[in-house]
This record gives sequence, structure tokens and C-alpha cells, in this order.
Amino acid sequence: DIQMTQSPSSLSASVGDRVTITCRASQSITSNLNWYQQKPGKAPKLLIHAASSLHSGVPSRFSGSGSGTDFSFTISSLQPEDFAAYYCQQTYSTPWTFGQGTKVEIK
Amino acid sequence: EVQLVESGGGLVKPGGSLRLSCVASGFTFSTYSMNWVRQAPGKGLEWVSSISSSSTYIYYADSVKGRFTISRDNAKNSLYLQMNSLRAEDTAVYYCARINSYGYEKVDYWGQGTLVTVSS
Repeated sequence: DIQMTQSPSSLSASVGDRVTITCRASQSITSNLNWYQQKPGKAPKLLIHAASSLHSGVPSRFSGSGSGTDFSFTISSLQPEDFAAYYCQQTYSTPWTFGQGTKVEIK
Repeated sequence: EVQLVESGGGLVKPGGSLRLSCVASGFTFSTYSMNWVRQAPGKGLEWVSSISSSSTYIYYADSVKGRFTISRDNAKNSLYLQMNSLRAEDTAVYYCARINSYGYEKVDYWGQGTLVTVSS
């Protein structure tokens, strides 16, 4: 199975800050990497697919980059509605696996 | 508008069975693969099972293989998860979600989830 190591597990930031989360795969997954946002009590929402493609309707302050084994997700200017948990997921091979998540909290 | 509505969750004793259902609307269900993803209380996301559009390809996580069965009825726009021999560690919110296979695969729409609690 492909292991996804996401870091940090949590972070505190202020509105307007630039935030970056990283995700490392245990083997190459080319660009089969997605990022999701989840707010408490709600279903996850797709933000980024294919490592760097913005899902329809997602604000441009969200971005992703990387290929192979190393990926990053960035929020360029944190907004109040962005405080949530974020997960990476590989869809290169089954079983599809998620990172352990990053909780973005208000500083 | 894409909608996925799960039902069938509840409290069940260890060793018991439960069948989850998911009704889809707002898209051509028969042309999309579907999957179930679960989330234990306070934990992260775990992929459970996937099924292709015509049920040709079916995959399971090792943690549920041999106990859970995924199926679909394209005439009813419905996805199912039959869960047998349930264990305490199966306690989770179960999400039905659509797989978009155009380009690289991604899970682009999720239901609201249904809670399964396995406890005596």
C-alpha cells in the first residue's frame, strides 16, 4: 500500500497568512494527488485534483504543486472560512490512501 | 445539482449486519464509478470500497475485505454497502462519494454521511 505522510498535523495561523501543507508519498504517484477540505460535522470537499488543478468553483487563493512523491498545498491569504481540516489523497493505486490530515486553527 | 443521500446507518451489535444505501441525483449515475469512504469519530478519512460504472471492477480495503460487499443498481440510481460481521472498529460516519475519472481520478462529490455505531 502507498503511505501518505502529511505535515504538519496542525497549525495556527492568522487571517491573511500564507499557509503551506506538505504531503509525501511512499512511492511515486505521478500527479494522482488530490486535496480536500473538511469542516466539523460536514463532508469533505474537493479543492485540488491532479496535484495542481483547481476544482470548479474553488477560490484561486488555493493552489497545489508537486509530482512524483512530494506535494504541497498552499492557501495564499487565509480567510476566516478556511479554518478547517485538509487532507491529501492518492488515487494512483488501490487502496486509495489519505494523509492523516492537517487542522488549520485560528491563532 | 449533484446530490448524494445516504441512509441505513444506526446502532448494531458486534457481529451484526447493516446495509447502507445511497441515492444519487443530478448526474448520469450509470456513467460514474462510486465509492464509500469512512471516518471514525475524531479520526481521518479511510477509503473503504469502489465500484465501476457497470460493476465490472470492484475493490475493497483490506480492513473490510470478506465482510463488506459494495453493489449498485443503475436503474434506481443507487449505491449500496452490505456490512456483515461488524466490529467496534467499523464505527464511523460512512460517506457515499462520486469518482470522476476524467483525467486523473478524484472524488468530486460527497454525501452528507450516515453514522454506523457498533456497540453492545
